[in-house]
Amino acid sequence: SAVISQKPSRDICQRGTSLTIQCQVDSQVTMMFWYRQQPGQSLTLIATANQGSEATYESGFVIDKFPISRPNLTFSTLTVSNMSPEDSSIYLCSVVRGWETQYFGPGTRLLVL
Amino acid sequence: LAKTTQPISMDSYEGQEVNITCSHNNIATNDYITWYQQFPSQGPRFIIQGYKTKVTNEVASLFIPADRKSSTLSLPRVSLSDTAVYYCLVGAPSYNQGGKLIFGQGTELSVKP
Repeated sequence: SAVISQKPSRDICQRGTSLTIQCQVDSQVTMMFWYRQQPGQSLTLIATANQGSEATYESGFVIDKFPISRPNLTFSTLTVSNMSPEDSSIYLCSVVRGWETQYFGPGTRLLVL
Repeated sequence: LAKTTQPISMDSYEGQEVNITCSHNNIATNDYITWYQQFPSQGPRFIIQGYKTKVTNEVASLFIPADRKSSTLSLPRVSLSDTAVYYCLVGAPSYNQGGKLIFGQGTELSVKP
């Protein structure tokens, strides 16, 4: 398994501001993923973050809105920029460990007022 | 990416065996089948993974027929704490092939006393 921590665990933000979410893994991993889970919905993949390269964004997500950093093999950040109430969601990071097993962090619950 | 179809919800009683079936007609040769469990306000938790036939661990069993176009997650003797959303995912090994896992809507399992 993998031990993944996220900070902050939750936050309440004002519209127009930005929030950076941190994801820390207990050992080195090549691929990290960022997901969004809107209230009552399934998880939606935002982007794949590989160390040493630009993040790859899914359709509907852009770097200006969700910039991602991956400075080393155990850490990544996701910034939610210029927030609006529609950005209120749970944001989760995940890593691949083993053949095809993906492990998830506890999530960051974001409320934008 | 293979699309998955699951029942939206299921009800069960404590002590019963629960079988959740997932359809994935377009599964590719390299795809694995993985099931996750998610409790409210938590990240998804890995349950079981398989490629073909039957896989069993301490939590569940996974049955995959020869054509691999469907799979069934079996939870023996469920308890109230098994009330959660269960996701079936189909995907290729992320690390080796740069693939990714896409979440469907999941099955909301409600276990009653």
